[in-house]
Amino acid sequence: GENVEQHPSTLSVQEGDSAVIKCTYSDSASNYFPWYKQELGKRPQLIIDIRSNVGEKKDQRIAVTLNKTAKHFSLHITETQPEDSAVYFCAASLGSARQLTFGSGTQLTVLP
Amino acid sequence: GAGVSQTPSNKVTEKGKYVELRCDPISGHTALYWYRQSLGQGPEFLIYFQGTGAADDSGLPNDRFFAVRPEGSVSTLKIQRTERGDSAVYLCASSSPGTGSNTGELFFGEGSRLTVL
Repeated sequence: GENVEQHPSTLSVQEGDSAVIKCTYSDSASNYFPWYKQELGKRPQLIIDIRSNVGEKKDQRIAVTLNKTAKHFSLHITETQPEDSAVYFCAASLGSARQLTFGSGTQLTVLP
Repeated sequence: GAGVSQTPSNKVTEKGKYVELRCDPISGHTALYWYRQSLGQGPEFLIYFQGTGAADDSGLPNDRFFAVRPEGSVSTLKIQRTERGDSAVYLCASSSPGTGSNTGELFFGEGSRLTVL
């Protein structure tokens, strides 16, 4: 089955700096790669996703890049703010359904 | 309702007991998923329903776990003879049919936190 690895497990940045979180996946057939933000005790919420026919997608301060050849994808957050502090999960799935395989998460702390 | 609703939000039970966790998806969402999240880990897929039928139950850890969705809306996850290792947050998610071959995004509920003593 699919295996998703995520790095780093913790990341601290100064407010205004950029943050980058990286994930690799094992199944070359995977075609959908979402990123979720989860605040303590809350539900995971989708912040951005990318499909395998696209190399990069951007939404305001958040961007995701996908390298299908290398089987890795990354989340980029620019101009970080304290409210960006949370755990971020990458995930991968194949086909049209959403049986996602999640990474182990990155605890992002934005220091004011 | 406006979002995915899960009950109970917290459940404490003793080892060996039976528990049921309920999920009420977003109205009109045909796909429903159960995930399990242990402390400090990402959610782990358990089972996926398309309508009333379980389209993929490959994530259920063993035969003590079972889920139903009899009318294609509300789903119940059932755990028999609970063990301490079953302690986790059980997340339900639903999605709309989407467009073309792209299923809509997953919307998660707040989860049911199960503690087995």
